[in-house]
Amino acid sequence: DIQMTQSPSSLSASVGDRVTITCRASQTFSRSLNWYHHIPGKAPKLLIYAASTLQNGVSSRFSGSGSGPDFNLTISSLQPEDFATYFCQQTYSSPWTFGQGTKVEFK
Amino acid sequence: QVQVRESGPGLVKPSETLSLTCTVSVSGASMRSYYWTWVRQPPGKGLEWIGYIYYDGSSDYNPSLKSRVTMSVDTSRNQFFLSLTSVTAADTAVYYCASQSWSGVQRIYYFDYWGQGALVTVSS
Repeated sequence: DIQMTQSPSSLSASVGDRVTITCRASQTFSRSLNWYHHIPGKAPKLLIYAASTLQNGVSSRFSGSGSGPDFNLTISSLQPEDFATYFCQQTYSSPWTFGQGTKVEFK
Repeated sequence: QVQVRESGPGLVKPSETLSLTCTVSVSGASMRSYYWTWVRQPPGKGLEWIGYIYYDGSSDYNPSLKSRVTMSVDTSRNQFFLSLTSVTAADTAVYYCASQSWSGVQRIYYFDYWGQGALVTVSS
């Protein structure tokens, strides 16, 4: 199975901050990488697929970059609704696997 | 637009079978437009993909659970189902259902619409 390692596991930030989360895959693949946003008790939400394609309806303050094994999710200006946990996911090779999550907390 | 909602017993006894239903609402399309997938998250742990099923019954399961998992779909009722046999406390988790799309251009699967999840506790 492909292991996905996110860093940091948590971070503290303020509204308006620029935030970058990294996801590293244990095997190299091109762009089969997705990012999700999750608030406990709510449905996870797809932000980015194929490493850098913004899902319909998602704010342009979110962007994805990179190519295997290293990928980044950047939030250009953190908003109150962005305080959540973010997961990366590879769908290059079954079984699909997720990173352990990065919790973005209010500073 | 797709909406999905998980339902099923919140408590299952060890060694018994966990059964969940995902009810789907698809605007302007049908269940045949998507794959349908299950993911779980044990307390304090990360997400684990369980498997997916297509409207024609084709499926792919995570090898770690394959011997105990069965998925099925009923397009006439807009529902798909998860069955996990011989459960133990390690199967206690929030179970999510989601739609899974394929981008032919990008050649990638992604999970575009998720439910809020259903907590299933395995305990006697």
